[in-house]
Amino acid sequence: DVKVTQSSRYLVKRTGEKVFLECVQDMDHENMFWYRQDPGLGLRLIYFSYDVKMKEKGDIPEGYSVSREKKERFSLILESASTNQTSMYLCASSLRGGREKLFFGSGTQLSVL
Amino acid sequence: LAKTTQPISMDSYEGQEVNITCSHNNIATNDYITWYQQFPSQGPRFIIQGYKTKVTNEVASLFIPADRKSSTLSLPRVSLSDTAVYYCLDMDTGRRALTFGSGTRLQVQP
Repeated sequence: DVKVTQSSRYLVKRTGEKVFLECVQDMDHENMFWYRQDPGLGLRLIYFSYDVKMKEKGDIPEGYSVSREKKERFSLILESASTNQTSMYLCASSLRGGREKLFFGSGTQLSVL
Repeated sequence: LAKTTQPISMDSYEGQEVNITCSHNNIATNDYITWYQQFPSQGPRFIIQGYKTKVTNEVASLFIPADRKSSTLSLPRVSLSDTAVYYCLDMDTGRRALTFGSGTRLQVQP
């Protein structure tokens, strides 16, 4: 089975800190995604990437950036963390676009104080 | 920005069949209809996918009418472990990305 690993399960950071959330997949998937999940709002797409060094904005990219230097790794960066970025962050990957299944990691619960 | 509409929550009892209906008013010709399941403290996982008519696997059945403006996920004889949030989606082919809505929270009672 595909394994999508997020580096931290829980993370606590201070306002203004630069935060890195790391995600690694082990199945040579082309596409990788970052979502955030908040109660009552479902999953919202932040950024996605369909190739190394490629990235596209999702629905809520403000305050975030991403990096994909290697195919298996997709990093989400909070340039200057704010309290409204406290959320569950979920990484996912898929083989290609279109019909391909998304495989999700277990999530990182980020608290910004 | 979700392209689909589904009920916020549903309740059921163990052993019953549960049907969750989703509206896909903006579905594109090439979009496939896909359902995901999410348990607490986990990421969503793929359940089933279809284009039209009926699809069945070991977990669920998916019914899609000819106009493809809706879909119904059917869970036969639910158990307590089916308590989860269920999401219906169609692929945003213009972006090659899946947009999730708020999902349907299914609570199964003993």
